[in-house]
Amino acid sequence: GENVEQHPSTLSVQEGDSAVIKCTYSDSASNYFPWYKQELGKRPQLIIDIRSNVGEKKDQRIAVTLNKTAKHFSLHITETQPEDSAVYFCAASGLSGSNYQLIWGAGTKLIIKP
Amino acid sequence: SQTIHQWPATLVQPVGSPLSLECTVEGTSNPNLYWYRQAAGRGLQLLFYSVGIGQISSEVPQNLSASRPQDRQFILSSKKLLLSDSGFYLCAWGYGQGREKLFFGSGTQLSVL
Repeated sequence: GENVEQHPSTLSVQEGDSAVIKCTYSDSASNYFPWYKQELGKRPQLIIDIRSNVGEKKDQRIAVTLNKTAKHFSLHITETQPEDSAVYFCAASGLSGSNYQLIWGAGTKLIIKP
Repeated sequence: SQTIHQWPATLVQPVGSPLSLECTVEGTSNPNLYWYRQAAGRGLQLLFYSVGIGQISSEVPQNLSASRPQDRQFILSSKKLLLSDSGFYLCAWGYGQGREKLFFGSGTQLSVL
């Protein structure tokens, strides 16, 4: 079945710098790749996603890139701000029977240093 | 608009006691529903998902069970809680193309003592 690995587990960056989180997946049939942000004690929230027919997607300071050949995708956050501090989860989705299922990475704790 | 309600927000239960967590969705019909658990500082573990009334799929064998008595109601239960059942429980519903985008409830922090 699908397996998703996420790195690094913790990332500390200076405010204003960029942050990059990477995920690799194993199932070449996976076709949907979302990123979720979870602040401490809160629910995970979808921040950006990409489908396998697109190589890159951007939303203001956040972007996601997908390399289908290498089977990895990355989250890029530019001009980081204190409110970007959170745990970020990647996931990969593929059709399993008649349903889509998300397989999750273990999460990256992003710390923005003032 | 669609909303998801999950309660209670926090729960402290003794070992061996029963559990019932409820989740309801408004503003949509026939949603895909999910129960996730998150141990402290850890990732998301899918426990159960349901694509319709009475249809439950279990991802992890354990002493928990789930039921979907109504289209927009999803219940997580246990007859006897274990210490290892402590964690942050999240209900979610799937939307969008293929229903793979998840919107999570606010979660229940369960402490088993």
